[in-house]
Amino acid sequence: KNQVEQSPQSLIILEGKNCTLQCNYTVSPFSNLRWYKQDTGRGPVSLTIMTFSENTKSNGRYTATLDADTKQSSLHITASQLSDSASYICVVSPRGGGSQGNLIFGKGTKLSVKP
Amino acid sequence: NAGVTQTPKFRVLKTGQSMTLLCAQDMNHEYMYWYRQDPGMGLRLIHYSVGEGTTAKGEVPDGYNVSRLKKQNFLLGLESAAPSQTSVYFCASSSDRVGLSTEAFFGQGTRLTVV
Repeated sequence: KNQVEQSPQSLIILEGKNCTLQCNYTVSPFSNLRWYKQDTGRGPVSLTIMTFSENTKSNGRYTATLDADTKQSSLHITASQLSDSASYICVVSPRGGGSQGNLIFGKGTKLSVKP
Repeated sequence: NAGVTQTPKFRVLKTGQSMTLLCAQDMNHEYMYWYRQDPGMGLRLIHYSVGEGTTAKGEVPDGYNVSRLKKQNFLLGLESAAPSQTSVYFCASSSDRVGLSTEAFFGQGTRLTVV
């Protein structure tokens, strides 16, 4: 069964510190892997999209890495800010996933940045 | 730019009542989706549309109907609401299949409670 597992479930860090969120998936073959940020009470917003052939992609202080061999991805946040407090969701799109190109969502990691 | 707009933002229904959730996008996107997000679970696809006049079932379609009479609008209907349909509903749109690494844009969500 295609699954996306994220760890940790929740994380508390101090402002200015770095952190890394993990994503393991069993989707195979896959087309692309995405990281979304979801603020409380808001819809998900895309941070990065990586195809199966890409190893890393950055968006400002956010850097996503992908190891297709081990089926793992990570999201590294540098110099965290209070506004980084949100849920971060890993999403995988299976290759050949039908006409709609289905997205398989992880449950997310809830990050809290404290002053 | 409005992007994807959902109406209403909050709603409380009694068991057995019906309602329609409206999603409107102003990006001229072909693909539109309805997801539900429940505590401790990833987003799950309810129904989707690959163009005006088309609809198709997703992962959890039971109890819902949809219509796409205009390209910019995607309606989600609950004919007889049940407590199990208490959830946060998200609409999304994309210009092409998400399996092609196309960006998907989400609305702000509708929080529905069925009592």
